[in-house]
Amino acid sequence: GAVVSQHPSRVICKSGTSVKIECRSLDFQATTMFWYRQFPKQSLMLMATSNEGSKATYEQGVEKDKFLINHASLTLSTLTVTSAHPEDSSFYICSATLPGSQDTQYFGPGTRLTVL
Amino acid sequence: KQEVTQIPAALSVPEGENLVLNCSFTDSAIYNLQWFRQDPGKGLTSLLLIQSSQREQTSGRLNASLDKSSGRSTLYIAASQPGDSATYLCAVNTGFQKLVFGTGTRLLVSP
Repeated sequence: GAVVSQHPSRVICKSGTSVKIECRSLDFQATTMFWYRQFPKQSLMLMATSNEGSKATYEQGVEKDKFLINHASLTLSTLTVTSAHPEDSSFYICSATLPGSQDTQYFGPGTRLTVL
Repeated sequence: KQEVTQIPAALSVPEGENLVLNCSFTDSAIYNLQWFRQDPGKGLTSLLLIQSSQREQTSGRLNASLDKSSGRSTLYIAASQPGDSATYLCAVNTGFQKLVFGTGTRLLVSP
């Protein structure tokens, strides 16, 4: 149980275009989802916390107008990288928690974004 | 601001060896600490979770300890196998489900 999927697993786009990444909780309802970014040989950095039906909370230094997060249902959160640039190339990972849980986050397999 | 450091950054051992991975954090006010495994280009697999009130957790060949007062955790892997090769990340839950990750230890176990 507690499986999280991401789509696509890999995406290549041109500079200036927008890319949408989906994060789904497959067998549970997730009231809270998290988005992380991981640059090569670095650790995961939390970008934002996404709560169903409300606006996402962004970490300091993360541009909310560039990284649009929508959590319209209890099983789906989307991250849209708008006007992508090569420096946005990274590995994006989402996670989700079970309702009422403060402990475990279940992580998706990640999405590799390459901006040319 | 919580900072998490992992030592060593990389480790190469022959199969069968017991090994210890280290994690240190600067702020002892944590909710819990987790150890994860990440295979290249993949997501994270949770290995062990230690609550702030606990001293250690065990799962199979893995044992994780936590000394909150000194800001340290160790992950002990017994009888290492080539399949254990991966990057190991520790993460501190600072509350409100926010995880601060360490920089990871890349482990290579050779046959």
